[in-house]
Amino acid sequence: DQQVKQNSPSLSVQEGRISILNCDYTNSMFDYFLWYKKYPAEGPTFLISISSIKDKNEDGRFTVFLNKSAKHLSLHIVPSQPGDSAVYFCAASGLRGGYSTLTFGKGTMLLVSP
Amino acid sequence: GAVVSQHPSRVICKSGTSVKIECRSLDFQATTMFWYRQFPKQSLMLMATSNEGSKATYEQGVEKDKFLINHASLTLSTLTVTSAHPEDSSFYICSARVSLGNSPLHFGNGTRLTVT
Repeated sequence: DQQVKQNSPSLSVQEGRISILNCDYTNSMFDYFLWYKKYPAEGPTFLISISSIKDKNEDGRFTVFLNKSAKHLSLHIVPSQPGDSAVYFCAASGLRGGYSTLTFGKGTMLLVSP
Repeated sequence: GAVVSQHPSRVICKSGTSVKIECRSLDFQATTMFWYRQFPKQSLMLMATSNEGSKATYEQGVEKDKFLINHASLTLSTLTVTSAHPEDSSFYICSARVSLGNSPLHFGNGTRLTVT
């Protein structure tokens, strides 16, 4: 049972345009959501997060939107740059055995072409 | 900023041998660390939660005798893959959280294990 879903395995965008990565979740107990960026053979790097009490969080070129009623969040990158090409993981925070752990989606590979 | 260091980054071992992976929090104390595993083109799957001074908590389907976790200090957790087999070949990543509550996990750079 996949609780965090990223239905698009890949996305191609031209440099300068907006990249929109989507994520859906099923567990209504999740209350904190994060986006990570990952290059091959490296650990994920934290990008941006949002608490369930907000519907938008912005940090430079990155904006995360949360729609709790739809259990959907998205990451907007604008303008997109070739260096943004990587795999992006959506993650949701929930309690497991008393600890707050992250559940990850399968990732979306973003390719930004010059 | 918070840094999690993982060593080694890459290891190749023969089937039947054991491999130890170290995870260190470099500028903060981590009472809890998390070990993840990633198969090619798959998501990061939580294997176990490592607790300083007590036994690790393993996720369903993860063999605790196969994947030994020791969290002997506030800055070090180790994962030992015992009697490794080719199907254990994977990318193992540790992580830790600087503060309690809703805050990001910071990840190490991962260890690529190849069992021949």
